[in-house]
Amino acid sequence: GAGVSQSPSNKVTEKGKDVELRCDPISGHTALYWYRQSLGQGLEFLIYFQGNSAPDKSGLPSDRFSAERTGGSVSTLTIQRTQQEDSAVYLCASRSPKNIQYFGAGTRLSVL
Amino acid sequence: GENVEQHPSTLSVQEGDSAVIKCTYSDSASNYFPWYKQELGKRPQLIIDIRSNVGEKKDQRIAVTLNKTAKHFSLHITETQPEDSAVYFCAASSTGGYQKVTFGIGTKLQVIP
Repeated sequence: GAGVSQSPSNKVTEKGKDVELRCDPISGHTALYWYRQSLGQGLEFLIYFQGNSAPDKSGLPSDRFSAERTGGSVSTLTIQRTQQEDSAVYLCASRSPKNIQYFGAGTRLSVL
Repeated sequence: GENVEQHPSTLSVQEGDSAVIKCTYSDSASNYFPWYKQELGKRPQLIIDIRSNVGEKKDQRIAVTLNKTAKHFSLHITETQPEDSAVYFCAASSTGGYQKVTFGIGTKLQVIP
């Protein structure tokens, strides 16, 4: 079936605007993760959803960042009042029952 | 929480030589250790993984070893080829209950033809 789908693939926004990034996980995967990857850097954990449990938000860098997962499937990462330092690739991954994470292609966010 | 350290951060090898990347972890509850390869501009993809009930796993030119006592695991690539050039990430997680995955910082491998 289809893999993890993220949209948009690229987003250019002005400083101070809000943005929404979307992730469609693989059907049947109950766990979903958001990561941020700055140019040439590693994978920075942001937030983790597991089934109906309360999400682990410990990686969110500030209260401008929030995420939700509706119906246990699609997830949206929202960044309010974007700053230039928010520019990065935002990766979503869903995890199979065998614990393998499958990544989406990411959303490249550029804040001007 | 879990802390994963990875080294080296960059590694250059001649084509045909072997490459070794090492990781250590801190949480003794971690029992699943995947390795991801990320080519330039692409998404990370799983290349091999190991669970705590085995000490070594091999898949063609790549192998992973795990030492649970010392809390370290390593990726070995033999007979390297230019297409092995990429960033490699190690990770650690548990497979029960709370399953946050902690990644190492990554190793940029360059295979010189």
